[in-house]
Amino acid sequence: DAGITQSPRHKVTETGTPVTLRCHQTENHRYMYWYRQDPGHGLRLIHYSYGVKDTDKGEVSDGYSVSRSKTEDFLLTLESATSSQTSVYFCAISDSPGQGAEAFFGQGTRLTVV
Amino acid sequence: AQSVTQLGSHVSVSEGALVLLRCNYSSSVPPYLFWYVQYPNQGLQLLLKYTTGATLVKGINGFEAEFKKSETSFHLTKPSAHMSDAAEYFCAVSDAGANNLFFGTGTRLTVIP
Repeated sequence: DAGITQSPRHKVTETGTPVTLRCHQTENHRYMYWYRQDPGHGLRLIHYSYGVKDTDKGEVSDGYSVSRSKTEDFLLTLESATSSQTSVYFCAISDSPGQGAEAFFGQGTRLTVV
Repeated sequence: AQSVTQLGSHVSVSEGALVLLRCNYSSSVPPYLFWYVQYPNQGLQLLLKYTTGATLVKGINGFEAEFKKSETSFHLTKPSAHMSDAAEYFCAVSDAGANNLFFGTGTRLTVIP
């Protein structure tokens, strides 16, 4: 398995609180991604990074921010959690998606906002 | 923007029967194509991918997929379903020079004993 660790694996939080999810890789891949998975929607891209301090928005970025201060770490922050952000969050990494390289996925973080 | 359509959110087959999961993409330029599998409470694992060359691609666990440019399709097949194939399957595409993958909404495969 690719060296991707997501933490925490499960979290329950209250509406309005900030939450940070962490993704750590040991593969030295350039690209890192945060997806959310919801029934009927498949995987939707939240944000991605193409290098240290280089990030861009995905299709469902509202309410989320990211940071990448080191190659190996990519943080996803929900500034003020809402119930609509209850989901399973996946981190993924890739070396060169534009040249056909596949993405490798972490085990996911199940977030419940109550 | 690239888009991926997976026909059928749920597919049921009998054990030993043919598995056919459908995927169509929107790009007019042949993209890179992927199939992933997700078992319960796990992340996604790559089954197979098409980049260039032979249009029939073989993957793990006996699965294969054929890239058909004229039909903009990349359907996944397996001649004989096994109980362990029960999972959710995702088709994904990426364009040359792109920064990310676009995923379909997934197909949940049930295998009936």
